[in-house]
Formats: sequence, structure tokens, C-alpha cells
Amino acid sequence: DARVTQTPRHKVTEMGQEVTMRCQPILGHNTVFWYRQTMMQGLELLAYFRNRAPLDDSGMPKDRFSAEMPDATLATLKIQPSEPRDSAVYFCASGLTSLAGVGNEQFFGPGTRLTVL
Amino acid sequence: AQSVTQLGSHVSVSEGALVLLRCNYSSSVPPYLFWYVQYPNQGLQLLLKYTSAATLVKGINGFEAEFKKSETSFHLTKPSAHMSDAAEYFCAVSVPRNRDDKIIFGKGTRLHILP
Repeated sequence: DARVTQTPRHKVTEMGQEVTMRCQPILGHNTVFWYRQTMMQGLELLAYFRNRAPLDDSGMPKDRFSAEMPDATLATLKIQPSEPRDSAVYFCASGLTSLAGVGNEQFFGPGTRLTVL
Repeated sequence: AQSVTQLGSHVSVSEGALVLLRCNYSSSVPPYLFWYVQYPNQGLQLLLKYTSAATLVKGINGFEAEFKKSETSFHLTKPSAHMSDAAEYFCAVSVPRNRDDKIIFGKGTRLHILP
């Protein structure tokens, strides 16, 4: 049963510390998305990749957040330095874009619950 | 730009009653539409999707949705609610244009099932 995996599932850290979240997309998928979910803002798209190339990171605070895909099986989201307002659940999703480039379904991971004290 | 509006952030229904979750979309071109469900402490899971074939789409767990272009709606229904349906439901839209893979999500509707 193919699924998106995320590590860690929970992270508690102190303000100012670096946080790295990892995602393994479903094998064969060529798009990866990072979302942040909070009670106040709901689900926000932070960044997305196609074929490992970053296509849109307009939703991401550039001064402290960075997203990369070192290879096709790993996507990372890093926050440095972390702040209490970054506390949220971070989801990774992957998908397979068709040749027509239409918006196909996304498969979500279980999320990383981040608490910054 | 495309968007979706979900009417009601919380909906309560009795077990065995009809479930109706409302979603209206805005798009300048024919959209693709999705309903996702999120159970507590889990990621989002696809319930069903509309991709310009049949206007009545059947999904998992007995849910279905009907695409109505004249009303720009894609409401989600289930004839008889079960306690296990308690979750948050997200309507979403994507547009087949410019090779854009993004899906735009609504703010979600939390479904409560009353015993």
C-alpha cells in the first residue's frame, strides 16, 4: 500500500532552534507539495515541486523557511530560526501530473505536528 | 483566480440522517473538483473527484457529489450518516491550465454526528 511518509510525526523545540521535516513521496510521483495547517489559517500551500524543481514557494516565509528535494525520494522543509508562530501541522503531499498538466489528486502524508516554545 | 467556498464551518447531523455539505466554486474555465476528508490526527484523504465526465460522482464510504454548472456547486451528500463519518471535509478545485498542479482548498467543514 503506497503512501507518503513524514518524519518526525511530532516535534517540540525551543524558539530559535532549527527544525527539519522530511517527506518521502510515493514512488513514481513527480510532484511534491508542502502545506501548513492551523486553526486560524486553515490549510496553506507553502511550496511545491515538479520533477524536483521548485515551481512555487510564494506561500513560504523566505527569511526563515526553505524547501528542497535532494533526490526524488526525499523532500525537506527547514525552518531556521523557528518561532512560536510556526507551531502548526505540516503536511507533505505527492501526486503524478499528467502529460496534459492538469491538477490531479494529491496524496497526503500523516503530517508533522510542530510545537515551538 | 479559482476558489471554493464551503458553507458552514460546522455541521451537525443525527446518526442515520442525510449528510449535506455545501461547496460552491469559482472558476473562469471548467474546473476539476475534489472532496477530501481529514480524520483526527491524520492527513487528508481523497473522497471523490469530478473531472468533466459524469456529473454525479460516487466516492468512498457511501459519499457522492453532483457537479452543477448552473449553480457553480459541488455539494457532498450521504444518505445515512454513521458515527465514523465525524471528520473535517474539504472541498477543493484545480484548473487544467498552464500545467498548474496546484489544488485550491476550501476552509473545511467539520461534521459532527449526534447519537
